[in-house]
Amino acid sequence: DAGVIQSPRHEVTEMGQEVTLRCKPISGHNSLFWYRQTMMRGLELLIYFNNNVPIDDSGMPEDRFSAKMPNASFSTLKIQPSEPRDSAVYFCASSLALRGVTEAFFGQGTRLTVV
Amino acid sequence: KQEVTQIPAALSVPEGENLVLNCSFTDSAIYNLQWFRQDPGKGLTSLLLIQSSQREQTSGRLNASLDKSSGRSTLYIAASQPGDSATYLCAVSGDNYGQNFVFGPGTRLSVLP
Repeated sequence: DAGVIQSPRHEVTEMGQEVTLRCKPISGHNSLFWYRQTMMRGLELLIYFNNNVPIDDSGMPEDRFSAKMPNASFSTLKIQPSEPRDSAVYFCASSLALRGVTEAFFGQGTRLTVV
Repeated sequence: KQEVTQIPAALSVPEGENLVLNCSFTDSAIYNLQWFRQDPGKGLTSLLLIQSSQREQTSGRLNASLDKSSGRSTLYIAASQPGDSATYLCAVSGDNYGQNFVFGPGTRLSVLP
């Protein structure tokens, strides 16, 4: 397996524009996570899905952020409208919950810069 | 709410030294604890996973221990090498679905040749 695949790797956009980040989890995994990493706040969990269903979205900063998982092999994180404070590295991770053992595997991240 | 801390925040050692990184968590009701490595500008690479019923795991020069009751884990790196330089993060998974990972802030390690 190629691991968790994220696209794009880098995104530069202007304030107010819509941004869509994409993630393909490892085949067979049943949980998917979106994280945001900044120098100030470290790694923050934004939302996670189990069997394509959002379980906890309490980390989503505000209504400008939304995430979907239409099927087991694809998820998107959308920011609309984007703001400079959204600049960060966004990671997607997936795992397979098996008898409570859940090892998470991360993608390479999308570095978002909002100017 | 689970909180994870890591000490020290940064560490610089000469090549060849054995070293210990510490991770503490406030809620002992965890499914497992995972140690990751992150190189600058890269994603996270899983190093070791310790299930809640286990006390330690080993992989090569790495050994991680878990003491659930005291809310602590340590990552031991033997005979450190310059290639070990990276940020090391620990994460604990909660017990709702056993899948919600909470990360510590990381320890930035520099191994000097």
